[in-house]
Amino acid sequence: GNSVTQMEGPVTLSEEAFLTINCTYTATGYPSLFWYVQYPGEGLQLLLKATKADDKGSNKGFEATYRKETTSFHLEKGSVQVSDSAVYFCALSVSGGADGLTFGKGTHLIIQP
Amino acid sequence: NAGVMQNPRHLVRRRGQEARLRCSPMKGHSHVYWYRQLPEEGLKFMVYLQKENIIDESGMPKERFSAEFPKEGPSILRIQQVVRGDSAAYFCASSENRGPNTEAFFGQGTRLTVV
Repeated sequence: GNSVTQMEGPVTLSEEAFLTINCTYTATGYPSLFWYVQYPGEGLQLLLKATKADDKGSNKGFEATYRKETTSFHLEKGSVQVSDSAVYFCALSVSGGADGLTFGKGTHLIIQP
Repeated sequence: NAGVMQNPRHLVRRRGQEARLRCSPMKGHSHVYWYRQLPEEGLKFMVYLQKENIIDESGMPKERFSAEFPKEGPSILRIQQVVRGDSAAYFCASSENRGPNTEAFFGQGTRLTVV
């Protein structure tokens, strides 16, 4: 079956620190990979995605590279801000689309000023 | 363009009652997806509907749960005779199309508490 494993939270960092949130996956087939973000009181928003090996998704200073050899899609940002505090979800979809997304448990990120 | 609207945001039901969760997709979106997030778990796919049709309900429990997306009005996720284990956050998403490069937009979720 399909599954996504991401690092446990909460992750607490100081402003301007470097961020890495690990995500690994298992999938039957060739999945598309996603990072979603959920800000307090809001719904999930697509942060970035990659649809094939070695693709790099990027948005708002966040990046993640689709690594097929290590089945990973780690999220990184060079300098975090307090406004980045949220819950981050790694997800995959074998269909490539919005149906049948398989999510990780989410990582709560707390950025302190 | 309003986003995906879910209501209520919070719902409390006693064991044995019915819960009705509503989802209005974004304007122009005819594909709706329901996900459930149990405590300490990731979101789990439940059901995928496209106007008046259930396309995939492989993630939905066989009993007590049903979903519809009528021609007019919001999509409804209905849980009959709720039990404590149904307590979770239920998220709805919608998309314009299906398949690769389709982005799903999520609502804020309905948090169901069964007491």
